[in-house]
Amino acid sequence: DSGVTQTPKHLITATGQRVTLRCSPRSGDLSVYWYQQSLDQGLQFLIQYYNGEERAKGNILERFSAQQFPDLHSELNLSSLELGDSALYFCASSVDWQETQYFGPGTRLLVL
Amino acid sequence: AQTVTQSQPEMSVQEAETVTLSCTYDTSESDYYLFWYKQPPSRQMILVIRQEAYKQQNATENRFSVNFQKAAKSFSLKISDSQLGDAAMYFCAYWGSSNTGKLIFGQGTTLQVKP
Repeated sequence: DSGVTQTPKHLITATGQRVTLRCSPRSGDLSVYWYQQSLDQGLQFLIQYYNGEERAKGNILERFSAQQFPDLHSELNLSSLELGDSALYFCASSVDWQETQYFGPGTRLLVL
Repeated sequence: AQTVTQSQPEMSVQEAETVTLSCTYDTSESDYYLFWYKQPPSRQMILVIRQEAYKQQNATENRFSVNFQKAAKSFSLKISDSQLGDAAMYFCAYWGSSNTGKLIFGQGTTLQVKP
């Protein structure tokens, strides 16, 4: 157990819908990262927050957004979902942006 | 841009034997870290080992060790005394100081352990 928690574990929804994925980092970690793992794209970095502020953006679609709250938990919002958004979404956390990232168990999203 | 390449999509090893997984990377940075993560069937991403580029000594964690060849930009993972629980997909990952924190992953190598 890495200490990073993610909810829900599984999510099944329809095209066009909106979902929210939640992540709680390890105690003491200030940095949160979101990654997407799909069969055709592999593991891709989406976005990073550090102590509530957006720090880096990767291959994140405009339909996706994220935030980190004062208690340091983070949410990833996915809207206007498409079939291609079906993937495993990981949250990772680290003490700061230079330290080792520890991953949560992931949220499996299936868009039908 | 930095890249990470794992050229072995699949590997197999006999239980109790040793296996080496390969990884090469490309970067112009001098300050970076390299990682191996394990993803078992549960899909959890588990940190196996970490290597700082400035360290000449190869990292070791119990049965797991790396062969870090900085000039060749090679970072292989050696698993000794392979166990059935080692069966998983293994990802090589790169972190560079200019990346503001993001990890760049290779395509992964699926390791099968035969009893």
